[in-house]
Amino acid sequence: ETGVTQSPTHLIKTRGQQVTLRCSSQSGHNTVSWYQQALGQGPQFIFQYYREEENGRGNFPPRFSGLQFPNYSSELNVNALELDDSALYLCASSFRAGTSEEQYFGPGTRLTVT
Amino acid sequence: GESVGLHLPTLSVQEGDNSIINCAYSNSASDYFIWYKQESGKGPQFIIDIRSNMDKRQGQRVTVLLNKTVKHLSLQIAATQPGDSAVYFCAENARQLTFGSGTQLTVLP
Repeated sequence: ETGVTQSPTHLIKTRGQQVTLRCSSQSGHNTVSWYQQALGQGPQFIFQYYREEENGRGNFPPRFSGLQFPNYSSELNVNALELDDSALYLCASSFRAGTSEEQYFGPGTRLTVT
Repeated sequence: GESVGLHLPTLSVQEGDNSIINCAYSNSASDYFIWYKQESGKGPQFIIDIRSNMDKRQGQRVTVLLNKTVKHLSLQIAATQPGDSAVYFCAENARQLTFGSGTQLTVLP
């Protein structure tokens, strides 16, 4: 098991609502990346935070936003939820941003939008 | 479009046999690849990685082969065990991880 934790484990929301997902990175890691994994698909990169600043973003609309805190934990916020936002949301932490760094994944938060 | 992809969505092998999972990529500039294993209800777990200056790398019961000429990599699992049943992803790491769609490996008794 990695030292990355995520909360909550499962969540059910209604279309149009807002949601906040949380991630605690592995000790000593200063970079957190968020991924969306739809059923039967590979994880898709949402964005990365390095030392509290966004450090790269995938092809996701602005209603997906994030924060990283001084202790390097992170939040993913999604506004105006849509049915297609139903997925497993994964965070991964690493020692530093950039290439060639192993990323350690948490267990994910399963979001269901009805 | 997708820059990494797996050849087969499912693979079934007998316990004790060797497994080979294949992956293709399109970006010839990719220089770092990782194989992940994802069990049901869990996040992806690092298995093994390889950099573009290598053709082969071995771990415990696993070997990754990289063929840069045809932009192909494979994961070989020796003496496959029931605990190896999972979805396997190859990913390229260029600032962020780009995953393929995964191969579901089922180990038959």
